[in-house]
Amino acid sequence: DQQVKQNSPSLSVQEGRISILNCDYTNSMFDYFLWYKKYPAEGPTFLISISSIKDKNEDGRFTVFLNKSAKHLSLHIVPSQPGDSAVYFCAATGLSGTYKYIFGTGTRLKVLA
Amino acid sequence: DVKVTQSSRYLVKRTGEKVFLECVQDMDHENMFWYRQDPGLGLRLIYFSYDVKMKEKGDIPEGYSVSREKKERFSLILESASTNQTSMYLCASSLIAAGQGRVRQFFGPGTRLTVL
Repeated sequence: DQQVKQNSPSLSVQEGRISILNCDYTNSMFDYFLWYKKYPAEGPTFLISISSIKDKNEDGRFTVFLNKSAKHLSLHIVPSQPGDSAVYFCAATGLSGTYKYIFGTGTRLKVLA
Repeated sequence: DVKVTQSSRYLVKRTGEKVFLECVQDMDHENMFWYRQDPGLGLRLIYFSYDVKMKEKGDIPEGYSVSREKKERFSLILESASTNQTSMYLCASSLIAAGQGRVRQFFGPGTRLTVL
């Protein structure tokens, strides 16, 4: 059973526009969420995170929104740049003792110049 | 700068061979993880270790074992490689989850393993 879902396998966006990547989760015990970016032939790199006590976290061009009632989070990239083209994974974990991170299946973002 | 290294970027092995994948981190992290990444399946946890000599099974441990004799090193072992273990293997490490902003994982570059 997929506890963290990214229902869009791919997304194409024009340079300068907003990219919105979505992630849904089913386990209400998750209280910390992360986004990772992965280029081909490289390991994922941490992008931004959010705790369940917040509904928004911003870092430069990247903003993550969390809607706990809908069990939904989204990553907004504004403005999108060609260098943002990568696979984006959302991940969830609980701070209360578990060390496990549950990853979504990823969304491949392509930013068109 | 934080660093996780993996012993090989690319590896080709034959069915039935014993395969060792090594991972070393220089951040003094307690937790270390092994994942495999397959198209359409995302990252799936094979094993993780929260201390030296301690290990726990992840979601897909079958066909794999691990070893953590030193804090900085976590090895993944394929006792008898099979073609369905052809995949990208990613090692990661993290601090113990102890507060906001300290739970992110740091990943190595990955090992692309092909089993013929």
